[in-house]
Amino acid sequence: GESVGLHLPTLSVQEGDNSIINCAYSNSASDYFIWYKQESGKGPQFIIDIRSNMDKRQGQRVTVLLNKTVKHLSLQIAATQPGDSAVYFCAEKGTSYGKLTFGQGTILTVHP
Amino acid sequence: NAGVMQNPRHLVRRRGQEARLRCSPMKGHSHVYWYRQLPEEGLKFMVYLQKENIIDESGMPKERFSAEFPKEGPSILRIQQVVRGDSAAYFCASSLGPPSEAFFGQGTRLTVV
Repeated sequence: GESVGLHLPTLSVQEGDNSIINCAYSNSASDYFIWYKQESGKGPQFIIDIRSNMDKRQGQRVTVLLNKTVKHLSLQIAATQPGDSAVYFCAEKGTSYGKLTFGQGTILTVHP
Repeated sequence: NAGVMQNPRHLVRRRGQEARLRCSPMKGHSHVYWYRQLPEEGLKFMVYLQKENIIDESGMPKERFSAEFPKEGPSILRIQQVVRGDSAAYFCASSLGPPSEAFFGQGTRLTVV
């Protein structure tokens, strides 16, 4: 079946460092991937997405890398700030129309 | 331009009661998704609806759970005869279409006592 998993459940960094959050997925047919940020008590907030015909996409301070060969997705956050502290989820859209499959989540803590 | 609106934000029900969760999608969005999140876990897909149609309910329990998205009004997730295991955060998302970016609401936190 479809599944998305994360290598690291927690990540602690110092303010100003770069952060890298990793995600493995198992469905090679997945064609769309999204990273979400979820703060305590709130809903997931869209960060950045990437389609399977790309291997890299950049946003403001964030970059998503997709390696289809090893079915791996990563989120890079440059110059991490305390406001970046949250749980980060990767999600993939596989063969099921419209449905997103979420990973377990990585807790990012940024120390000032 | 309001985002996805869910209400209530918090809902407490006794075992055996019914819970009704409402979701108003973003303006112009006709695709709605419901997800459930247990503490310290990821979101699990429940159901995907378009106006007046259920497209995919593969994540919805067969018993006690139902969802609708009428032509007029919000989408409703209904849980009959709630049990303690139904306690969770329920999130609704909407999009212009399936491959498009989905925007999430703030969720309804259901507590069954």
